[in-house]
Amino acid sequence: GAVVSQHPSRVICKSGTSVKIECRSLDFQATTMFWYRQFPKQSLMLMATSNEGSKATYEQGVEKDKFLINHASLTLSTLTVTSAHPEDSSFYICSARDRQGWTEAFFGQGTRLTVV
Amino acid sequence: GESVGLHLPTLSVQEGDNSIINCAYSNSASDYFIWYKQESGKGPQFIIDIRSNMDKRQGQRVTVLLNKTVKHLSLQIAATQPGDSAVYFCAENTGGGNKLTFGTGTQLKVEL
Repeated sequence: GAVVSQHPSRVICKSGTSVKIECRSLDFQATTMFWYRQFPKQSLMLMATSNEGSKATYEQGVEKDKFLINHASLTLSTLTVTSAHPEDSSFYICSARDRQGWTEAFFGQGTRLTVV
Repeated sequence: GESVGLHLPTLSVQEGDNSIINCAYSNSASDYFIWYKQESGKGPQFIIDIRSNMDKRQGQRVTVLLNKTVKHLSLQIAATQPGDSAVYFCAENTGGGNKLTFGTGTQLKVEL
């Protein structure tokens, strides 16, 4: 199947700094990518839909100024956690589909963010 | 739907037994469903999918059943193996949209 690569897999940052997470579709073009957040022992919560060449669509309750999304090309979306705080520590996962319609979404390997 | 504040339910089975994992979905307009397997510290992996115009689909050792009347989805794993130990999520795709909404998830533990 299609491959989605996420980088870094783990990051530790100091409170108040910003962290950028990259999500790449390696063998297909993705006009849309999705960013999820997952707390321990819980489900994946959709944060936003990243649209190539336009603004991201954020889910209710997700601060767009806190979680900056950029989808500058058909194979790359980035999520920047700005002014990170310990409560932002979580597992962030991106996904993409290689075509429209009834088709599975492929997921990256996730990024474990720890803010100290 | 979301399960903020709740812990994952756990299903324990003996190696070689069949496993049945259940999921209740919320949106009657959902037209496509996927089961994912997630191992600790990794992203979800596709297992099997089903469209809303079907009620059963079989894969290798796995079967998905869809009951639209009661908005219920199940995943059956035959001859469960230790490598099947993981968290399993159902996800629904709402018609007209392209995003997936994940269910609560079930932790499957396979005992030797």
